[in-house]
Amino acid sequence: GAVVSQHPSRVICKSGTSVKIECRSLDFQATTMFWYRQFPKKSLMLMATSNEGSKATYEQGVEKDKFLINHASLTLSTLTVTSAHPEDSSFYICSARRSGFGANVLTFGAGSRLTVL
Amino acid sequence: DAKTTQPPSMDCAEGRAANLPCNHSTISGNEYVYWYRQIHSQGPQYIIHGLKNNETNEMASLIITEDRKSSTLILPHATLRDTAVYYCIVIRDDKIIFGKGTRLHILP
Repeated sequence: GAVVSQHPSRVICKSGTSVKIECRSLDFQATTMFWYRQFPKKSLMLMATSNEGSKATYEQGVEKDKFLINHASLTLSTLTVTSAHPEDSSFYICSARRSGFGANVLTFGAGSRLTVL
Repeated sequence: DAKTTQPPSMDCAEGRAANLPCNHSTISGNEYVYWYRQIHSQGPQYIIHGLKNNETNEMASLIITEDRKSSTLILPHATLRDTAVYYCIVIRDDKIIFGKGTRLHILP
């Protein structure tokens, strides 16, 4: 079945540093990937849609200069949290839509828990 | 905003069928209903989706009312591992937007 690998699963960083999270589709090609964030006991919030070979589309209220998304290949999208602050601490989850698979069935990564000190 | 309404929580005895309702009264004719679930601290998992006919797979059954304004996800024999938050989703602008979901507690 379709597998999405997300790395790292946990990261702790100091305030002001940048953190990169990788999302890979292991056994299928994904022209579209989605990035979500989730605060404790809250639902997932869509941050942006990542399209291979083009700029990401950000949801309203999400700073594109702070959350840099790159989707350089059909199997890899990265999210970089720049100049991280404690309020950026959250659970970040990526998902991938299989190319040519039709319906909106997404495969999600296991998530990356970011803690900014 | 999510286009669906779900009860915030439900309990179900282990071994019994869990029936999770979802209201999607504003659904359009060509919009599918999707169900995902999220077990604590993991990424969401796809369960099932449907348009107007009832659907069944190895995980669950999906019953959609004739007017398509509501649906029910059925886990036929709930186990403790089915404890999770279940999300009923109608795609909006080609994006999967999560509502608050239903927190399902399976009671031993």
